[in-house]
Amino acid sequence: EIVMTQSPATLSVSPGERATLSCRATQGVGSNLAWYHQKPGQAPSLLIYGASTRAPGIPARFSGSGSGTEFTLTISGLQSEDFSIYYCQQYNNWPLTFGGGTKVEIK
Amino acid sequence: QLLESGGGLVQPGGSLRLSCAGSGFTFTSQAMSWVRQAPGKGLEWVSGISGGGGDTYYADSVKGRFTISRDNSKSTLYLEMNSLRAEDTAVYYCAKKANSGWYFDYWGQGTLVTVSS
Repeated sequence: EIVMTQSPATLSVSPGERATLSCRATQGVGSNLAWYHQKPGQAPSLLIYGASTRAPGIPARFSGSGSGTEFTLTISGLQSEDFSIYYCQQYNNWPLTFGGGTKVEIK
Repeated sequence: QLLESGGGLVQPGGSLRLSCAGSGFTFTSQAMSWVRQAPGKGLEWVSGISGGGGDTYYADSVKGRFTISRDNSKSTLYLEMNSLRAEDTAVYYCAKKANSGWYFDYWGQGTLVTVSS
């Protein structure tokens, strides 16, 4: 099983600043990596797939990069609605696996 | 839209069947999955099924206890859960596989399963 590790667990950022989230896989997953965000009490929502392609309707301030075992989600100019929990997921191998999440909170 | 139902309180060792009704897309052609989230925890993929239902996939934690199935005539996905344990307590989401890979572009709102005596 591929283990996905996200860091940091919590990221404190001021509105308008940039947030950089990391996701690492225990073995290579190519570009088969997705990012989701989840607000309390809501279902997750797709942000990025293919490591760097924004899902429809996702603003350009969200960008993904990386391949193999190291991935990054960058949120430029954080807005109030961006403070939530972010998860990465690999879909290169069975079983599908998620990272433990990064909570982005207001500083 | 995806709408789950069937959650509730069940005793350890008991059984429960979850349903997920799909609408607004061609259900027959879309692979689907169940993903769960224990209270205050992260996401855990549970099971997946191809559009036609011929291929199924399971996490090791549920293999042999859970069965995924679908009835395309009713646009409905199911998860039959047997021999339930306390650690199966979670919100269960159904999710639609995207066209280009096993990631999920649409999610239901979830149904809570509580396993407790």
